[in-house]
Amino acid sequence: GQQLNQSPQSMFIQEGEDVSMNCTSSSIFNTWLWYKQDPGEGPVLLIALYKAGELTSNGRLTAQFGITRKDSFLNISASIPSDVGIYFCSGFNFGNEKLTFGTGTRLTIIP
Amino acid sequence: KAGVTQTPRYLIKTRGQQVTLSCSPISGHRSVSWYQQTPGQGLQFLFEYFSETQRNKGNFPGRFSGRQFSNSRSEMNVSTLELGDSALYLCASSLFPTVSYEQYFGPGTRLTVT
Repeated sequence: GQQLNQSPQSMFIQEGEDVSMNCTSSSIFNTWLWYKQDPGEGPVLLIALYKAGELTSNGRLTAQFGITRKDSFLNISASIPSDVGIYFCSGFNFGNEKLTFGTGTRLTIIP
Repeated sequence: KAGVTQTPRYLIKTRGQQVTLSCSPISGHRSVSWYQQTPGQGLQFLFEYFSETQRNKGNFPGRFSGRQFSNSRSEMNVSTLELGDSALYLCASSLFPTVSYEQYFGPGTRLTVT
């Protein structure tokens, strides 16, 4: 099935550092979403973006909907231990009404 | 209010058997989607149900099927299990399918096929 290209695949950072990850696609999406998944749990929606160029924040998280509609970015500022997990981007297409997910970025915080 | 619940949480089956997984959506949510998550393929869309009708389907073989009941609860069935069906199966609910991107996921059912 189709997947979005998400990078980096994994990140090892120290507490307090800022984090950046991105997602690219060959297809245009109408909506971009970012989820976080903790071990043994389902993904939790973090941020939803509905318009090209849109920049949206949720606490220490900031995400942007790329102008081309083919990419999105997520930044986490001043990381804390509970930020550990796998972050997924996903794109929603009104035409086929399906969510396509990225391959995930695993965030690990080094003590 | 209670979140999406999935039962069972863990399941071990033998190749060739069939399995049924259950999902109870958030109260008031009428749309239920199913996803398969594996390390190799990531999260893949299986199908979506709304008002007891399948609205959308991913690229999975016919061995994967589902249904939705009048109370919006949903079940998915996998027949003639293969080793490659081992995965975390996630259910997500939303109010309506046209806003199905605002989905809330359950904890998943981890299926192991031996």
